[in-house]
Amino acid sequence: SQQGEEDPQALSIQEGENATMNCSYKTSINNLQWYRQNSGRGLVHLILIRSNEREKHSGRLRVTLDTSKKSSSLLITASRAADTASYFCATDVDSNYQLIWGAGTKLIIKP
Amino acid sequence: GAGVSQSPSNKVTEKGKDVELRCDPISGHTALYWYRQRLGQGLEFLIYFQGNSAPDKSGLPSDRFSAERTGESVSTLTIQRTQQEDSAVYLCASSLGYRGGYGYTFGSGTRLTVV
Repeated sequence: SQQGEEDPQALSIQEGENATMNCSYKTSINNLQWYRQNSGRGLVHLILIRSNEREKHSGRLRVTLDTSKKSSSLLITASRAADTASYFCATDVDSNYQLIWGAGTKLIIKP
Repeated sequence: GAGVSQSPSNKVTEKGKDVELRCDPISGHTALYWYRQRLGQGLEFLIYFQGNSAPDKSGLPSDRFSAERTGESVSTLTIQRTQQEDSAVYLCASSLGYRGGYGYTFGSGTRLTVV
């Protein structure tokens, strides 16, 4: 079953604007991770936030985690054309030996 | 190696032929995962290795699919008698441990086209 569900499915914004993507999940997690995928090839690990953390930053990325709402958000500030990609959230749960993946958000940055 | 290496990067094969896809994980990564991704879709889990053991093969779509891993090194995914619905990108990922706490490192994938 799908644990993570990203929202929106697709997002198109102007370069320089901020992009926010959300991920909801169903069961308790150990951590939640965000990945980026360019052009349908390999995914790149962006950031991992543990269940006892509420916010984490990495460069222009800001991730929040609300375990009471079972949701996370990924904010990309000052977007660039190179940020055009699909973004996936994945959750690490005790009952599973592998990450559980959402369906992804397709982000398009218009120049 | 520095990253996860997959070969070939692209493979076009005729329906009914067998194909073998290869994954070289990062040295020291004990966990290895295979996924399939159809165009515009999410990741479909196929199989996972902890060392050279595959505790769960339930993700393999049919008995035409098999995978093996040598020690904590190279893994091969074999698809026999390929069908057009097997066309997809096959992604391999490795991780320091079998739990998700370490994050995954992905290869660039093998794009398989069955004609």
